[in-house]
Amino acid sequence: QQQVKQSPQSLIVQKGGISIINCAYENTAFDYFPWYQQFPGKGPALLIAIRPDVSEKKEGRFTISFNKSAKQFSLHIMDSQPGDSATYFCAASIGWGYQKVTFGIGTKLQVIP
Amino acid sequence: DAGVIQSPRHEVTEMGQEVTLRCKPISGHDYLFWYRQTMMRGLELLIYFNNNVPIDDSGMPEDRFSAKMPNASFSTLKIQPSEPRDSAVYFCASSPLLDNDKNIQYFGAGTRLSVL
Repeated sequence: QQQVKQSPQSLIVQKGGISIINCAYENTAFDYFPWYQQFPGKGPALLIAIRPDVSEKKEGRFTISFNKSAKQFSLHIMDSQPGDSATYFCAASIGWGYQKVTFGIGTKLQVIP
Repeated sequence: DAGVIQSPRHEVTEMGQEVTLRCKPISGHDYLFWYRQTMMRGLELLIYFNNNVPIDDSGMPEDRFSAKMPNASFSTLKIQPSEPRDSAVYFCASSPLLDNDKNIQYFGAGTRLSVL
């Protein structure tokens, strides 16, 4: 059972455009939502994370929007660059410091010049 | 620190052979995770350890898979006997309890396993 549903699985965006990746979860006990970025041949690395007590978190060109009532959250990449081309995973976990993280299936983003 | 170190980076083996994947976590991290990544299923947690003790192995697909952590600086994931459907990229990750108030997992570069 896929507890974190992610879409789309692939995305092509032109340089300078906005990349949007959406995730939905089922377990209302989830209270920590990280996003990981994975470049080819590398392991995933934490990009940005949010807790459900805020509706938005921004770090540079990356923004997480969170809708607790809809059980949905999304990643927006503003002014997308070719260097952003990677696979992005949304994820969720329960509890402060609880280590088990459930990942979405991933979105392969390609930013074309 | 050099980060999480996995070996080998690539492994090609024949069906029925034993495969052992190795991981050295970041020094001082309390948790160690083994994941499997495939196109169809994404990143799946296989097992994780806290202070060398297995906490949750519910993701281990079957008895052919086993994992050990004999000390804080080393872990192995073993597949015996291996099957073609085990072909995937296997990641090891480690984590402190909290890192600057965040729950962060640090991943190794992975082992790409091909079972022929």
